[in-house]
Amino acid sequence: NAGVTQTPKFRVLKTGQSMTLLCAQDMNHEYMYWYRQDPGMGLRLIHYSVGEGTTAKGEVPDGYNVSRLKKQNFLLGLESAAPSQTSVYFCASNRELGTDTQYFGPGTRLTVL
Amino acid sequence: DQQVKQNSPSLSVQEGRISILNCDYTNSMFDYFLWYKKYPAEGPTFLISISSIKDKNEDGRFTVFLNKSAKHLSLHIVPSQPGDSAVYFCAASADYGGATNKLIFGTGTLLAVQP
Repeated sequence: NAGVTQTPKFRVLKTGQSMTLLCAQDMNHEYMYWYRQDPGMGLRLIHYSVGEGTTAKGEVPDGYNVSRLKKQNFLLGLESAAPSQTSVYFCASNRELGTDTQYFGPGTRLTVL
Repeated sequence: DQQVKQNSPSLSVQEGRISILNCDYTNSMFDYFLWYKKYPAEGPTFLISISSIKDKNEDGRFTVFLNKSAKHLSLHIVPSQPGDSAVYFCAASADYGGATNKLIFGTGTLLAVQP
């Protein structure tokens, strides 16, 4: 049981390039989330999904797109990367509503030059 | 506007002593609060939570206190151990039993427990 995994662990992009971050969970969780962590800002919610085929905007969705084609995967896309998107990205998932806690992946460190 | 604030970026305590990490919030609609712990190069892991209907929740060495009138919560770790050295995030939700489970995180406090 790997829990929540993220691919890649590190990436360096040039301004304007695109990329996709992959999050996978093997716990059959319904809910999945993408956060970014910046110094002095804590974790901020980018997008989330309440089930396969659904997505919704979080606090800071601009510049990102997401897709949840399969229940176990949640993809975060950057169509045209900007230096402001340099951050550490965390994916999380949880099983159900109520008091179920979120389980986090190990993070992806992205640098945009 | 930071709805969840952790005003101490760092805290250093001696092994065996008590660690007290503080968190303040501004949104009176928050009804569920959590603490997450994060080691370097890892994702946050859940530590302890408290519902707004309680003022205290205890789990082993960890206790969370909630003061709703002051919009303040604190995490007590007794006794502190070197393995507790990590960044601690406070998080809150106004809709935890609702449709989204969205969490608002604080900026984190780096705890260093000195042997």
